[in-house]
Amino acid sequence: SQQGEEDPQALSIQEGENATMNCSYKTSINNLQWYRQNSGRGLVHLILIRSNEREKHSGRLRVTLDTSKKSSSLLITASRAADTASYFCATRGNNRLAFGKGNQVVVIP
Amino acid sequence: NAGVTQTPKFQVLKTGQSMTLQCAQDMNHEYMSWYRQDPGMGLRLIHYSVGAGITDQGEVPNGYNVSRSTTEDFPLRLLSAAPSQTSVYFCASSLQGAGDSDTQYFGPGTRLTVL
Repeated sequence: SQQGEEDPQALSIQEGENATMNCSYKTSINNLQWYRQNSGRGLVHLILIRSNEREKHSGRLRVTLDTSKKSSSLLITASRAADTASYFCATRGNNRLAFGKGNQVVVIP
Repeated sequence: NAGVTQTPKFQVLKTGQSMTLQCAQDMNHEYMSWYRQDPGMGLRLIHYSVGAGITDQGEVPNGYNVSRSTTEDFPLRLLSAAPSQTSVYFCASSLQGAGDSDTQYFGPGTRLTVL
């Protein structure tokens, strides 16, 4: 089975800085998604990128996908304290959506 | 729309007891799934369904059963609870299981403790 794996696991940054997270996977995918989870809550969808896309933007989010390297990155620009959360990548393949272990991001005001 | 709802929010069981975690969605989504989340393990897929009457196993199906008699409901049954099933359980749904319709909507979770 495929599974996304994020890197780094934990990130602490100052408000206003950019935060970058990476995700790698092992098999072919239909799409790759990023989710955010605030402490004690369910996951919230952030952005989806198809396997035939290389880059996608949504507000302060920028996602890239390199299928040759089987990797993706999530960039959050001009971070805010409210961006403090755990971020998960998920890969769709073989009718299943597999999640990575997550990145914990702390934005210091 | 209420979105994805889960009940109960918290549950404590004794080893060997059985129970059903309820999940419902009112968005007419075809695809529904159950995940468990454990510290340091991310989310692991237990079972999923691509439509009413169709279910399949995920990554960690042992000890759990599911059924999908209607589009709206996707209950998860623990037949004989074990301490290893202590976890937070999330139900999710999406319009479809591919393409741009693959956005998952998650419920608030059920925190289960098995003593």
